Amino acid sequence: DAKTTQPPSMDCAEGRAANLPCNHSTISGNEYVYWYRQIHSQGPQYIIHGLKNNETNEMASLIITEDRKSSTLILPHATLRDTAVYYCIVSPWFGNEKLTFGTGTRLTIIP
Amino acid sequence: EAQVTQNPRYLITVTGKKLTVTCSQNMNHEYMSWYRQDPGLGLRQIYYSMNVEVTDKGDVPEGYKVSRKEKRNFPLILESPSPNQTSLYFCASSPSGTLMVLHFGNGTRLTVT
Repeated sequence: DAKTTQPPSMDCAEGRAANLPCNHSTISGNEYVYWYRQIHSQGPQYIIHGLKNNETNEMASLIITEDRKSSTLILPHATLRDTAVYYCIVSPWFGNEKLTFGTGTRLTIIP
Repeated sequence: EAQVTQNPRYLITVTGKKLTVTCSQNMNHEYMSWYRQDPGLGLRQIYYSMNVEVTDKGDVPEGYKVSRKEKRNFPLILESPSPNQTSLYFCASSPSGTLMVLHFGNGTRLTVT
């Protein structure tokens, strides 16, 4: 599976958009980009996934560059409840059997 | 409410005393998996199941057993727990084993003394 690189930590002001980058320069054509987050010691929560097109749902937007080597998760109006560790994961669409969670980005929303 | 339920939430036990952590999902998901989370090591997969009666080892299966006799349940069994199995455990399920849209339980914090 392709590896990902994320900044270890970021801050964002409450009410602003939080933009979390992820580098996955070795991604292959059959691999999805997934984003999860984990609030304190709760179970990780699925946010969004994409293959090559930009995606949006009620939680966030995912912007994938045209060459697919990097992506950005956007939380449009961050709240204090968005403080969490965010994981960017790349995994093939078939035969993957698991997601490999790295160390993620610790996002802190500042009041 | 669609959910993955783990029990117990907290468990303190002694070395060698067999225990089972239960996991149940009510979403008719085919795929289920167990992870453990340790400081500095992140989430690591223990076992997974692509469907009923189909289970396979993940990255750290030693000291654990699982079974998948019915679709909704995927218990994690520690036949002879040891202190190095002290960890935070998560069960997860997904509609299928192809697209990894995982739903996680709330975790079981296990301490083995």
